[in-house]
Amino acid sequence: EAQVTQNPRYLITVTGKKLTVTCSQNMNHEYMSWYRQDPGLGLRQIYYSMNVEVTDKGDVPEGYKVSRKEKRNFPLILESPSPNQTSLYFCASSLGTPIYNEQFFGPGTRLTVL
Amino acid sequence: AQRVTQPEKLLSVFKGAPVELKCNYSYSGSPELFWYVQYSRQRLQLLLRHISRESIKGFTADLNKGETSFHLKKPFAQEEDSAMYYCALSGGDNFNKFYFGSGTKLNVKP
Repeated sequence: EAQVTQNPRYLITVTGKKLTVTCSQNMNHEYMSWYRQDPGLGLRQIYYSMNVEVTDKGDVPEGYKVSRKEKRNFPLILESPSPNQTSLYFCASSLGTPIYNEQFFGPGTRLTVL
Repeated sequence: AQRVTQPEKLLSVFKGAPVELKCNYSYSGSPELFWYVQYSRQRLQLLLRHISRESIKGFTADLNKGETSFHLKKPFAQEEDSAMYYCALSGGDNFNKFYFGSGTKLNVKP
């Protein structure tokens, strides 16, 4: 089944403990993106990637890192998580630039930083 | 700066009534507008996009550049339309960046 998968789905951690949220797609999509969703703010883009080894900042990149070593994977790395990064995170992918191609979303990862 | 505003957090209508979900935007350049929908226990998905001039599930949206609006409309709401709706924008100075509004929860009552 063509889809975007994220792991873990739920994560509770403590301030400062490095973590990685994985995102994988099996549709051979070139574009991938990370969003965070907070009450009253909707989804805000963290980082996006146009292709392997090509990444760029979205609207709220502070405190996050990403890498795109393989086309199918786009992990989100929090080197030193803080409570203000408690949020619901979504990964998305599209065949090409999302202005012309539908974005397919993952199921979300709910992160709590204590 | 690109921004999307959805003024209504919640919109409740009766089945068969017309629906209009409001979306206003601010931009630099020439943006493209989209509506995404999230049904209960489902993933966020594309509903329609201005660039395609399409009507999906009876919904339409007209881009009004003078009022910088992209309101979503349906003449007769159905119970299955109950969902969270997000207006989104891309383009302007960067076609790879995407901006979402805060969302409107549509509740269609029987």
